[in-house]
Amino acid sequence: AQSVTQLGSHVSVSEGALVLLRCNYSSSVPPYLFWYVQYPNQGLQLLLKYTTGATLVKGINGFEAEFKKSETSFHLTKPSAHMSDAAEYFCAVSDQYGNNRLAFGKGNQVVVIP
Amino acid sequence: EAGVTQFPSHSVIEKGQTVTLRCDPISGHDNLYWYRRVMGKEIKFLLHFVKESKQDESGMPNNRFLAERTGGTYSTLKVQPAELEDSGVYFCASSQSPGQGSYGYTFGSGTRLTVV
Repeated sequence: AQSVTQLGSHVSVSEGALVLLRCNYSSSVPPYLFWYVQYPNQGLQLLLKYTTGATLVKGINGFEAEFKKSETSFHLTKPSAHMSDAAEYFCAVSDQYGNNRLAFGKGNQVVVIP
Repeated sequence: EAGVTQFPSHSVIEKGQTVTLRCDPISGHDNLYWYRRVMGKEIKFLLHFVKESKQDESGMPNNRFLAERTGGTYSTLKVQPAELEDSGVYFCASSQSPGQGSYGYTFGSGTRLTVV
């Protein structure tokens, strides 16, 4: 079974500072990895995904994530936080062999401090 | 294109009552998924339709939950009778990809169900 660990349910970051959200996964088969964002009163929106190929993945709104197989990690970063980045962020994993389920982490609620 | 639509957006019902949630996927998306987030917990998979067929319903918590997808279009998720632990946000997602999750799904805004 696949699983995702996101530590720190609430993350505070100053405006202009680095955003770093950690994601570690467990999977017995090659994974597909995703970051989703949920803004207040909206659905889950795909930020970026890793399937195969380049391990550094760029997404929307200046976010990027790097797949590190040796560390089973897929951490999300953004160099400079903006007030509009306040939202809840979810890391998720599925596998490359036809299992369509997503296994999600518990999420990180990001608060941006002016 | 229109996104995934879910309604109602909120529902408050009493324990023992019945509630039906509806999801309209993106037109042409054969794959439809239901997920649920109970407060403080992870978003968890409930089931997966391919067209009108249930591909995987291993995440359904118990037989009080019944999902249908009429004609491979919209889907309903009925909870009967509702219990307090059923409270949470129910998400629907759809995907055009025939078999892989690599493309990512398009999620709806969710239905927040509160059982009192």
